[in-house]
Amino acid sequence: SQTIHQWPATLVQPVGSPLSLECTVEGTSNPNLYWYRQAAGRGLQLLFYSVGIGQISSEVPQNLSASRPQDRQFILSSKKLLLSDSGFYLCAWSVPTGGISLSGNTIYFGEGSWLTVV
Amino acid sequence: KQEVTQIPAALSVPEGENLVLNCSFTDSAIYNLQWFRQDPGKGLTSLLLIQSSQREQTSGRLNASLDKSSGRSTLYIAASQPGDSATYLCAGTYGGATNKLIFGTGTLLAVQP
Repeated sequence: SQTIHQWPATLVQPVGSPLSLECTVEGTSNPNLYWYRQAAGRGLQLLFYSVGIGQISSEVPQNLSASRPQDRQFILSSKKLLLSDSGFYLCAWSVPTGGISLSGNTIYFGEGSWLTVV
Repeated sequence: KQEVTQIPAALSVPEGENLVLNCSFTDSAIYNLQWFRQDPGKGLTSLLLIQSSQREQTSGRLNASLDKSSGRSTLYIAASQPGDSATYLCAGTYGGATNKLIFGTGTLLAVQP
């Protein structure tokens, strides 16, 4: 079965410090990978998605970047955090469109990472 | 612009009631519609996925419908239980290789024992 792991679960970082959130997926190959952010009182916003190794698309201009160094690894980074980067970050994966899946294109989420920038 | 809206933002019901959560979307060219559950401080759990060619999906006490022409989806929960208390999110996928989701802001459900 497929699983998704995301860490760290919680972190408190000072303004201007770097950030690295990591996500790995097991039990599948060539998944689509996503980073979402859920800010207080707001819905989930797609930050980045990736359809393959080294292929990253950004949805919104921001202070963050993403990388996919391996097929099932997705990393969210920042060189210098801002207060506005605080939020709940969720990694997710799905079978690519056109792939074989009994559940269609269901998206599966990790447990999330709480980031507080102080 | 593709937008997804959920009404109401919050709902409180007594245990045992049947209830309906509403989701509307502006772009009817939807690929599929998914309903998720989010417990406080946790990730999202997929509940039901309805493909654009389908009208409804059922899982246990949950039934989700999709009406593309009116841009609406509903999630029906039968015989609600306190354990159903959570935030329920709907999200539309607009196809392409990316399978990106456009989320609503959710409905916070509280089922009172």
